[in-house]
Amino acid sequence: SYVLTQPPSVSVAPGQTARISCGGNDIGSKNVHWYQQKPGQAPVLVVYDNTDRPSGIPERFSGSNSGNTATLTISRVEAGDEAGYHCQVWDNSIAHYVFGTGTQVTVL
Amino acid sequence: QVTLRESGPALVKPTQTLTLTCTFSGFSLTTRGMCVSWFRQSPGEALEWLALIDWDDVKYYNTSLKTRLTISKDTSENQVVLTMSNMDPADKGTFFCARTPDGDRFDHWGQGTLVIVSS
Repeated sequence: SYVLTQPPSVSVAPGQTARISCGGNDIGSKNVHWYQQKPGQAPVLVVYDNTDRPSGIPERFSGSNSGNTATLTISRVEAGDEAGYHCQVWDNSIAHYVFGTGTQVTVL
Repeated sequence: QVTLRESGPALVKPTQTLTLTCTFSGFSLTTRGMCVSWFRQSPGEALEWLALIDWDDVKYYNTSLKTRLTISKDTSENQVVLTMSNMDPADKGTFFCARTPDGDRFDHWGQGTLVIVSS
């Protein structure tokens, strides 16, 4: 089965940039979506189709995808960005939705 | 405004069948391309996709759980129902439903419902 690997945690100071990786075999050939999830809440889509943002999501959230790694970048990090972040793809070889292992972002 | 809300028992006994209902508004599951899916998240764990049903009543299941899952829809009631049989304490977690307008990204989610399996 297709596996997506994320670092368990990322720490960043306010105002700095957080980069969260999502590794998968030839992930650059897939559409990657990113979700933010705060404790006790549902996931919220923050980036879709590798680079697009849903309406209402700040421009500080951006995505990229190439080769074996997709990346979610959060610029000018704020305290409210502290949350778990999950990447997701559709694996059409087995008709499955696959999520990454999840990354906890801590704002110092 | 799109909303989804999960409902069902908070506690089930081992070996019982869990039935969860996702009631939605703001969209129709008869619209071409529209799908609703179910997910599970065990405490401190990653999101796990369980099943999906599309506008044309096509169904997809997580192969590792396929024998235990059934997904169905009632378009007149705007509901999607998931059943999971032979529940085990290890199945404890928060169950979410979400919609995808294109079978790819999930753009609206319910708040989730916590299910505990215990005798």
